[in-house]
Amino acid sequence: GQQVMQIPQYQHVQEGEDFTTYCNSSTTLSNIQWYKQRPGGHPVFLIQLVKSGEVKKQKRLTFQFGEAKKNSSLHITATQTTDVGTYFCAGMNYGGSQGNLIFGKGTKLSVKP
Amino acid sequence: NAGVTQTPKFQVLKTGQSMTLQCAQDMNHEYMSWYRQDPGMGLRLIHYSVGAGITDQGEVPNGYNVSRSTTEDFPLRLLSAAPSQTSVYFCASSYGGQTQYFGPGTRLLVL
Repeated sequence: GQQVMQIPQYQHVQEGEDFTTYCNSSTTLSNIQWYKQRPGGHPVFLIQLVKSGEVKKQKRLTFQFGEAKKNSSLHITATQTTDVGTYFCAGMNYGGSQGNLIFGKGTKLSVKP
Repeated sequence: NAGVTQTPKFQVLKTGQSMTLQCAQDMNHEYMSWYRQDPGMGLRLIHYSVGAGITDQGEVPNGYNVSRSTTEDFPLRLLSAAPSQTSVYFCASSYGGQTQYFGPGTRLLVL
């Protein structure tokens, strides 16, 4: 079946350093979504990418969708302690059914002040 | 709007007991889902529904039942709890199966 692989599983950074998490799908996706889960909390939607090669920015966060629509990345510039949490990508297969939204296992980010 | 609500927040069960995890949403979303989250495993889809009266299995459906009699509610039933079902359970709703709005979660421990 379809898999969405996310790396790294863990990332420890010093405050002010950059951070990147990568997401790769075994199949072409119709779109990809990114979520953030704070410790003890629930996943919260960040953004959705739909177009091939799309790049979107939210303040210090930059999201990219690959040209082949099989990979994506989230880059955080100059991390802050408020960025701590687990970041998940979720790939949507064509057809758009709820059952076709596959989550990666997440990247857990810790930031040392 | 309350968004997606889940009850209870915490639950301890003994092996073999049954229980129902409640989920409700007030956003009039057609799509609702149940996920379980285990350390290092991410979010795995248990069951989902694309509308009242329609449910389908996700990646890990065994040991769980669902029903969707109304748009608002999507309860998850554990018929005979097992220690392997110790997990954090999240309910989510969405419009058209896109952006997922998650509830606060239910932390379940099965002894």
